[in-house]
Amino acid sequence: EDQVTQSPEALRLQEGESSSLNCSYTVSGLRGLFWYRQDPGKGPEFLFTLYSAGEEKEKERLKATLTKKESFLHITAPKPEDSATYLCAVHHTTSGTYKYIFGTGTRLKVLA
Amino acid sequence: GAGVSQSPRYKVAKRGQDVALRCDPISGHVSLFWYQQALGQGPEFLTYFQNEAQLDKSGLPSDRFFAERPEGSVSTLKIQRTQQEDSAVYLCASSLGLAGGLYNEQFFGPGTRLTVL
Repeated sequence: EDQVTQSPEALRLQEGESSSLNCSYTVSGLRGLFWYRQDPGKGPEFLFTLYSAGEEKEKERLKATLTKKESFLHITAPKPEDSATYLCAVHHTTSGTYKYIFGTGTRLKVLA
Repeated sequence: GAGVSQSPRYKVAKRGQDVALRCDPISGHVSLFWYQQALGQGPEFLTYFQNEAQLDKSGLPSDRFFAERPEGSVSTLKIQRTQQEDSAVYLCASSLGLAGGLYNEQFFGPGTRLTVL
């Protein structure tokens, strides 16, 4: 079954304490893996697209990496304003159609 | 506008009422998606449009749900005879490219929070 699993479900960090969020997937025909940030009461905000294993993208304190079965979102020296839910989504092809599957997200809280 | 807009932002309906939710995508974006998001969950796919063509409606939970994009820009999601289980946030997203191709990252609107009493 096509599936996207994120871990941990929730994460509390002290300001400056680096960590990683995980997104594992079991799909065939990967067309892209996306990371989004979602703040309460708002729609997801696009962060990164990764297309192939070994690819890396960086933006400020965030770095996303991709392997054949999972992606990591590394947060270096986080600040309280990085607190949000981080969602990953997989875009893949199955039975001739294209699908997007989202994980349930990791709720990140960064304490000052 | 610069981003995806949705209206209304909040909608309260009595059970059995019909509702219509509107989405204005980013100008020039070919693809448009509707998602349903329950509290604490990730978005669940409902339907996909490429221009005015509805290419995938496999995620619509019942025949009470109907979506259209008649001129390939603005889209409306209609829910007939609303039920309590329809209560959720409905998100609209658009992307520049076609599903399966390049530039397929999606840009989301703020969502419409639907509460069915």
